[in-house]
Amino acid sequence: GQQLNQSPQSMFIQEGEDVSMNCTSSSIFNTWLWYKQDPGEGPVLLIALYKAGELTSNGRLTAQFGITRKDSFLNISASIPSDVGIYFCAGHPINVVFGQGTRLTINP
Amino acid sequence: NAGVTQTPKFQVLKTGQSMTLQCAQDMNHNSMYWYRQDPGMGLRLIYYSASEGTTDKGEVPNGYNVSRLNKREFSLRLESAAPSQTSVYFCASSEDLYNEQFFGPGTRLTVL
Repeated sequence: GQQLNQSPQSMFIQEGEDVSMNCTSSSIFNTWLWYKQDPGEGPVLLIALYKAGELTSNGRLTAQFGITRKDSFLNISASIPSDVGIYFCAGHPINVVFGQGTRLTINP
Repeated sequence: NAGVTQTPKFQVLKTGQSMTLQCAQDMNHNSMYWYRQDPGMGLRLIYYSASEGTTDKGEVPNGYNVSRLNKREFSLRLESAAPSQTSVYFCASSEDLYNEQFFGPGTRLTVL
């Protein structure tokens, strides 16, 4: 089946720093989605990408759909305490596949 | 709109007991999903329903059954619970299979 590798698995940063994380797949995806999960909650969609090469922003968040259609990147600029949580990438060939998540911790 | 609701929020079962997790959505979505989330792992798809009247296996369907009762409701049943099924279970819905999913708050299940 499809595999998604998400990295890094965890990040410890200072408030105000920029964050980068990425996902790679073993097969071509038609859609890339980035979700954030707060403790005790379900994931919430941050950004959806539908075309290879697409670059989409949502406030301080920017995500890109890789040209090869096998990867995607999420950047967070000028991190703030409420950015803490677990970030998941997800892809759609047919069934939805989720990455293992990147746990973001911010030191004030 | 409540979005996606799940009941119960917490449940403790003994090995061998059965139970049904309930999920409902009020967004008129066609597709619904059940995931489990274990520590250090992402969300793994158990079953999904592309549209009312259809259900399909996901990545980890063994030990579970589902029912798409109507367009709004999608239930997950554990017939004979095992400790390996201790997990957090999330229900989600989307307009169609390829659209963004909206998640419920989760059910925390412990099997002793």
